[in-house]
Amino acid sequence: QKEVEQNSGPLSVPEGAIASLNCTYSDRVSQSFFWYRQYSGKSPELIMSIYSNGDKEDGRFTAQLNKASQYVSLLIRDSQPSDSATYLCAVNGDHFNKFYFGSGTKLNVKP
Amino acid sequence: EAQVTQNPRYLITVTGKKLTVTCSQNMNHEYMSWYRQDPGLGLRQIYYSMNVEVTDKGDVPEGYKVSRKEKRNFPLILESPSPNQTSLYFCASSDSGKGYEQYFGPGTRLTVT
Repeated sequence: QKEVEQNSGPLSVPEGAIASLNCTYSDRVSQSFFWYRQYSGKSPELIMSIYSNGDKEDGRFTAQLNKASQYVSLLIRDSQPSDSATYLCAVNGDHFNKFYFGSGTKLNVKP
Repeated sequence: EAQVTQNPRYLITVTGKKLTVTCSQNMNHEYMSWYRQDPGLGLRQIYYSMNVEVTDKGDVPEGYKVSRKEKRNFPLILESPSPNQTSLYFCASSDSGKGYEQYFGPGTRLTVT
């Protein structure tokens, strides 16, 4: 059974702080890693993808991948109340279009 | 506008009455998937398709059927729905040229009584 684990939260941070979201996965063959944001009642939307070890930055978002530790994280700098949502971690399985999602971490950014 | 559409958005039905949820994408993506989302369980992949007439099972395929006769469409069929299929369903599409990043439809909330 492939597993993707996330802390369900809620994670509460003050506006302007850094939010750190973590995800671990069990399948060592996974090659593609994604973070999605989902507002309540809406569909998931892609924030970041990462495929190689190290950091990848896009605006206020940084994804970090460590395949040896089977760990992927998302940092959100200068957090805004509009960042309040559930963040889903996804990894691919033994087929590049087979995906496993974590149950999500709920983030609350307090003004 | 690039998008994935699903219909219907909301559906209430009774046990055993066959239903189809449609999904269509206008991005010429090769890959399409169906997911269900349940509280505490996250998104679970039901079926995925790599191209026309090529489909494979995801994590939770029991009780579902799919077909991919055209590249843009990927309907989800529940031939005999049961109450445990009450869920929020999402269709998604992706392309190898964009690293398999998935774009999701708006969701279909299904209730089976």
